[in-house]
Amino acid sequence: DVKVTQSSRYLVKRTGEKVFLECVQDMDHENMFWYRQDPGLGLRLIYFSYDVKMKEKGDIPEGYSVSREKKERFSLILESASTNQTSMYLCASSLMEVNYGYTFGSGTRLTVV
Amino acid sequence: GQNIDQPTEMTATEGAIVQINCTYQTSGFNGLFWYQQHAGEAPTFLSYNVLDGLEEKGRFSSFLSRSKGYSYLLLKELQMKDSASYLCAVRERYGNKLVFGAGTILRVKS
Repeated sequence: DVKVTQSSRYLVKRTGEKVFLECVQDMDHENMFWYRQDPGLGLRLIYFSYDVKMKEKGDIPEGYSVSREKKERFSLILESASTNQTSMYLCASSLMEVNYGYTFGSGTRLTVV
Repeated sequence: GQNIDQPTEMTATEGAIVQINCTYQTSGFNGLFWYQQHAGEAPTFLSYNVLDGLEEKGRFSSFLSRSKGYSYLLLKELQMKDSASYLCAVRERYGNKLVFGAGTILRVKS
């Protein structure tokens, strides 16, 4: 079974804090993705990566950065958390040929107060 | 860019058939996915269509018409456990990004 593991299920952080969301996959997938999910808006792509040390901006990258130092790990960083970044964050991975779809992690519910 | 529309909510009765529609406008297209997401859980892959026609997988079927920018997910013999959100997602022509619709919440009542 492909597993995508997100380090925290729930997080509460203060405005202005630097926040790290970690994601690890165990199936040697090339592609990794970070989405946020908000009611009525669906999943929106923040950043993605096709290879180690490679990153590309998605549709809503502002206020976020990412790091992929190892193939299995893809980190999302909120440089200075703000209340409008309160959301569910979903990490996903896939083979380079994505016909089999993404495998998602269970998500991190982040609340910024 | 992509624009993906699907109904916000639907209600159906246990044992019935329900069809969830998805329309998309795109500058490029390379496949359409359906995902199921139970409340508080990760989305799970249901189906993938890249050619026109119907793909059947047990109680679930998915249809695609590329010329109409239209897909539907058909759920037969509904069960209470089918109550979930159903997400339509389009793969762009180049690369492996998926663009998701806002999802359809399906409620199955007894």
